[in-house]
Amino acid sequence: DTAVSQTPKYLVTQMGNDKSIKCEQNLGHDTMYWYKQDSKKFLKIMFSYNNKELIINETVPNRFSPKSPDKAHLNLHINSLELGDSAVYFCASSRLLADGNEQFFGPGTRLTVL
Amino acid sequence: GQSLEQPSEVTAVEGAIVQINCTYQTSGFYGLSWYQQHDGGAPTFLSYNALDGLEETGRFSSFLSRSDSYGYLLLQELQMKDSASYFCAVRSLTGTASKLTFGTGTRLQVTL
Repeated sequence: DTAVSQTPKYLVTQMGNDKSIKCEQNLGHDTMYWYKQDSKKFLKIMFSYNNKELIINETVPNRFSPKSPDKAHLNLHINSLELGDSAVYFCASSRLLADGNEQFFGPGTRLTVL
Repeated sequence: GQSLEQPSEVTAVEGAIVQINCTYQTSGFYGLSWYQQHDGGAPTFLSYNALDGLEETGRFSSFLSRSDSYGYLLLQELQMKDSASYFCAVRSLTGTASKLTFGTGTRLQVTL
């Protein structure tokens, strides 16, 4: 059984388009995260949600809008895609906000903006 | 803000021991974690230190010195499958928000 899943795995799109990435965890965790990993493998947090409530927005452009319909899902919608958005996006979860040291990552979505 | 430093690359021979160091600067320090990431894969959790000292998990151990803002990951009896990138990550608290800030990663190459 997949613990944290993301769709799609690959996303290739043109500049200016709008796209979404979906994430689901079946671990029963309360807290979910979105990370961006660039071409130099630098992994940076974008958002965290705890029980559907936004906890961290790490100065991400407002073209990025996360949505958590329930605590098992955290989706990421990106408007007006730019070349610099090309990266691997990872969703992650932790049991509680207080357990944030141990996070379970999804397989990643490789976004390429042309 | 937070900053972490770790070596960019390390090479070691199969069966050997390797130590990957991590120094950090942060406010609201709550602990140091280590993650492994194989090429094309997702980061996976290895260990966590909240207090000073050594934590051992099988062939992997992690050490923390809060007074020195320093930690390391020790990998023993290296195997080819240990070739991967290793990230240290500081967990910090700002108010009620907790987040992980990752280092730039150390690429470990295990050779025969």
